[in-house]
Amino acid sequence: GIQVEQSPPDLILQEGANSTLRCNFSDSVNNLQWFHQNPWGQLINLFYIPSGTKQNGRLSATTVATERYSLLYISSSQTTDSGVYFCAVCETSGSRLTFGEGTQLTVNP
Amino acid sequence: GAGVSQTPSNKVTEKGKYVELRCDPISGHTALYWYRQSLGQGPEFLIYFQGTGAADDSGLPNDRFFAVRPEGSVSTLKIQRTERGDSAVYLCASSPEGDYQPQHFGDGTRLSIL
Repeated sequence: GIQVEQSPPDLILQEGANSTLRCNFSDSVNNLQWFHQNPWGQLINLFYIPSGTKQNGRLSATTVATERYSLLYISSSQTTDSGVYFCAVCETSGSRLTFGEGTQLTVNP
Repeated sequence: GAGVSQTPSNKVTEKGKYVELRCDPISGHTALYWYRQSLGQGPEFLIYFQGTGAADDSGLPNDRFFAVRPEGSVSTLKIQRTERGDSAVYLCASSPEGDYQPQHFGDGTRLSIL
């Protein structure tokens, strides 16, 4: 099956800093989603981005499907951004999402 | 509008018991998925329904796990003879009809087997 690798595994920032999270995947995909899992365990949809670039407030994402990677940018980080960020992809032949191991982000005040 | 609803939010039971977990998808969503998330890991796929039928059940770990969606809306995940290793958060997601649609997740059921 498809492999999904996220980096870095852990990231500690001071409030106001910017960061870039990376997701590499091993095969062609028809769906790529970024999620934020908050400390209460809720999985929040951030982006549906199988290709191209999208922006939503302080967050933006870019997927380069031909090179099999996606980037999530967080600008002017806030303590409420803390949690685990997951990248999940769906192979072109299927419907299930395969998740990476996540990036644990801690934003300190 | 309402999101994906899962009940109960927490379930504690003894080893060997039978449990049922319920998922109510977003209204009108034809696809429904179950995932399981163990501590410190990403969610892992269990089963996918398109309408009433299980289109892909290859993620179910063994025959103690079974899921149904009799009317193409609400789904129930059933676990027989529970084991301590079944303890995890069980997540349900739904997506609209059509190819390549984003999946929307519920808050999950935290299952603890004592």
